[in-house]
Amino acid sequence: SAVISQKPSRDICQRGTSLTIQCQVDSQVTMMFWYRQQPGQSLTLIATANQGSEATYESGFVIDKFPISRPNLTFSTLTVSNMSPEDSSIYLCSGKTGLYGYTFGSGTRLTVV
Amino acid sequence: GENVEQHPSTLSVQEGDSAVIKCTYSDSASNYFPWYKQELGKRPQLIIDIRSNVGEKKDQRIAVTLNKTAKHFSLHITETQPEDSAVYFCAASRGSGGYNKLIFGAGTRLAVHP
Repeated sequence: SAVISQKPSRDICQRGTSLTIQCQVDSQVTMMFWYRQQPGQSLTLIATANQGSEATYESGFVIDKFPISRPNLTFSTLTVSNMSPEDSSIYLCSGKTGLYGYTFGSGTRLTVV
Repeated sequence: GENVEQHPSTLSVQEGDSAVIKCTYSDSASNYFPWYKQELGKRPQLIIDIRSNVGEKKDQRIAVTLNKTAKHFSLHITETQPEDSAVYFCAASRGSGGYNKLIFGAGTRLAVHP
């Protein structure tokens, strides 16, 4: 199955700044997804990254706050913009491989101070 | 919208006992149901999955059952071991269709005591 490399693995950022998280897949994947996981909680879908078109955002998430790029079928980025302490979380990317498989990146632990 | 409910939120068992985690889903078009195990600080790892054309699937000590009529599916772990301790998530998806996102349950923290 596909392997996803995600970076950075962790970062501590000042409020008001932005952080871009990158995911690189070792093979082409049809869909890529970005999740947020608060400590001790489940994975909440932020958006679906489509190659060559705008991402599709879930309720409660907006493009201005979480711009996403997907220039090709093996790479995507998520930017967390104008960060506040409430954005402190783990961010995970996921790629859909084939008809049914989903694989995950190792996550980015973000702390906003 | 789509929703997946998962119970219990925590589960504590003695080593060797069985553990059962249950999930229900709301989207009747869901046809793919994976289970993930997440250890502290690690990414979710797929442990077993089932598609809607199958009622049960087993892989060694792990089994999943699906009742499409009732829209619920369950994870069964037999002969539990301390290394089974982790957080388990169920999820549902429309699978191979164009609307492919995974919706996760809230998670179950399983503790297996020696």
